[in-house]
Amino acid sequence: DVKVTQSSRYLVKRTGEKVFLECVQDMDHENMFWYRQDPGLGLRLIYFSYDVKMKEKGDIPEGYSVSREKKERFSLILESASTNQTSMYLCASSRVDARRGQETQYFGPGTRLLVL
Amino acid sequence: SQQGEEDPQALSIQEGENATMNCSYKTSINNLQWYRQNSGRGLVHLILIRSNEREKHSGRLRVTLDTSKKSSSLLITASRAADTASYFCATGGGYSGYSTLTFGKGTMLLVSP
Repeated sequence: DVKVTQSSRYLVKRTGEKVFLECVQDMDHENMFWYRQDPGLGLRLIYFSYDVKMKEKGDIPEGYSVSREKKERFSLILESASTNQTSMYLCASSRVDARRGQETQYFGPGTRLLVL
Repeated sequence: SQQGEEDPQALSIQEGENATMNCSYKTSINNLQWYRQNSGRGLVHLILIRSNEREKHSGRLRVTLDTSKKSSSLLITASRAADTASYFCATGGGYSGYSTLTFGKGTMLLVSP
């Protein structure tokens, strides 16, 4: 079974702090994704990566950065946390199928971040 | 941008009844996927249907896809209390590894014993 793990289930930070959210997958997937999920807004893509050291902006990248130094690990960084970044953060990974396009995404359990 | 839109937003049924959720989308797709999310957890993939397929089954799940109407439906038969969750459709476009999924806002399903 594919396993996607996230470093924390719950996190409380103060405004202005630098926050690191870590995600690790064990299935050698090329693609990795970071979403945030808010009531009434569904899942919104923040950043994704299709290879080591490669990253692409999603729909809402402002206030976030990412790092992918190893294939299995994808980090989301909040450079200076703000209260409007309080949310549920979900990491996902998927394999690449150049012929079939975007395949199934496997999600981690999520990190619920509260910024005070 | 949100492409998939689920309908209804919320659905409440009794155990044993069937639950039907619908998804509409706007642009051409490569495939459409359905995911389930239990409260406070990550999403779990349920089923994928490709643009050249019209119907697909998996256990108690039946998914249909009508590309002419840009819509899909998810039917859960003989529902159980354990089916209580939010259900999301996600559309995949593009044929490269750079493509992403676009998720709808979900349907909350409550199955009462």
